[in-house]
Amino acid sequence: QSVLTQPPSASGTPGQRVSISCSGSRSKIGSDYDYLHWYQHLPGTAPKLLIYRNNQRPSGVPDRFSGSKSGTSASLAISGLRSEDEADYFCAAWDDSLSGWVFGGGTKLTVL
Amino acid sequence: QVQLQQSGPGLVRPSQTLSLTCAISGDSVSSNSAAWNWIRQSPSRGLEWLGRTYYRSKWYNGYAPSVKSRININPDTSKNQFSLQLNSVTPEDTAVYYCARSVGHIDIWGQGTMVTVSS
Repeated sequence: QSVLTQPPSASGTPGQRVSISCSGSRSKIGSDYDYLHWYQHLPGTAPKLLIYRNNQRPSGVPDRFSGSKSGTSASLAISGLRSEDEADYFCAAWDDSLSGWVFGGGTKLTVL
Repeated sequence: QVQLQQSGPGLVRPSQTLSLTCAISGDSVSSNSAAWNWIRQSPSRGLEWLGRTYYRSKWYNGYAPSVKSRININPDTSKNQFSLQLNSVTPEDTAVYYCARSVGHIDIWGQGTMVTVSS
């Protein structure tokens, strides 16, 4: 059972905007979790950092990808959806009580 | 460009020790600003952080409570790598294992190693 909760699936058509949510199972987002980070994961490959510190993009990540955090919820938005965006996306946060990393269960994005 | 290259066996017998190594290029295991983590992923448990090692004038380790009694993560400064040892494995330890660097956030992951625990 993942500490961070994500919808198991999401979908959209090319060009659309989709959003994936990430919430704390114990409502820790907005209180104990200062920063949420987002990753894209293609099966058999290393996960790729998309967004760090809620809304910061590493160099090389297209500005089609954006992150936000407001109160007790966080989300990843992908605009101008492309077929190559079809992948698993998961969120992560540092948990002070665990002194370790916690993760969402992942959302499988399908581009229709 | 920082890269992590994992190595180790893909099959471990029950009750034996799972051992994996993560070789670092483009950074140092002794970095004062990075931590070096092991994470695993399985269908039943999802993504699970196992532990980390890091250097801040001396070496520190931190482990997840779920594996604390049977895990060791050790740096090897001579080879610029770090390793995972998980003792007394059971089939529930079957997973894809990743090494990863964190610098306030996890930014670099290894390619993953599928480890199956089976006789």
